[in-house]
Amino acid sequence: EQQLVESGGGLVQPGGSLRVSCKASGFSFGRFKLNWVRQAPGKGLQWVSYISGSGETIYYADSVKGRFTVSRDNADNSLVLHMNSLMAEDTAIYYCARESGERRTWYFDLWGRGTLVSVSS
Amino acid sequence: SSELTQDPAVSVALGQTVKITCQGDRFRTFYSSWYQQRPGQAPVLVIYGENNRPSGIPDRFSGSRSGDTVSLTITGAQAEDEADYYCNSRDSRGETWVFGGGTKLTVL
Repeated sequence: EQQLVESGGGLVQPGGSLRVSCKASGFSFGRFKLNWVRQAPGKGLQWVSYISGSGETIYYADSVKGRFTVSRDNADNSLVLHMNSLMAEDTAIYYCARESGERRTWYFDLWGRGTLVSVSS
Repeated sequence: SSELTQDPAVSVALGQTVKITCQGDRFRTFYSSWYQQRPGQAPVLVIYGENNRPSGIPDRFSGSRSGDTVSLTITGAQAEDEADYYCNSRDSRGETWVFGGGTKLTVL
């Protein structure tokens, strides 16, 4: 079974740091692009970050640029999001999502269940 | 504010047809995709590309596009289709993604 499992969420104070992870199984991890998507309580989905299969190409949403760092370890089938200078607005469920497709057709075809990050004093 | 515009809420009678729309100029470069999210669950891909359904998605779900607007149509809505639906697409350079604000579908 193809699966993504997030972990590492928790309560952190404003200005603090947290590291969330995503462990993959059941597919050739290094062949796929991956993304982080978050959802604040009662709100919609917001794209956060992208990393290519090799890890060489990375993009971030403007709201997290300079504060968040994404990385992957293809030998370990894992994806990591390091979050620094956290703000209350970063409170959300963080999902990792596998990206598939080609040319003009791209989509997120596999999602984890998410991990909750709460930023509060 | 989102660059992809969806109606916040739509309702449909059980067994009837409903169309959920998403407007944005990104669709001129990249195709959209649609996600269903039931309460307390992760999103699930239901439509991608021109009109493709992943394995396991019922054929009552279909997608279409007209100009800057893409649509998700549910033909013969079922009670289990009650959920939030999100469209998304890449930007024209293929570097970032954006989601629509979501549409809450109520099946009456």
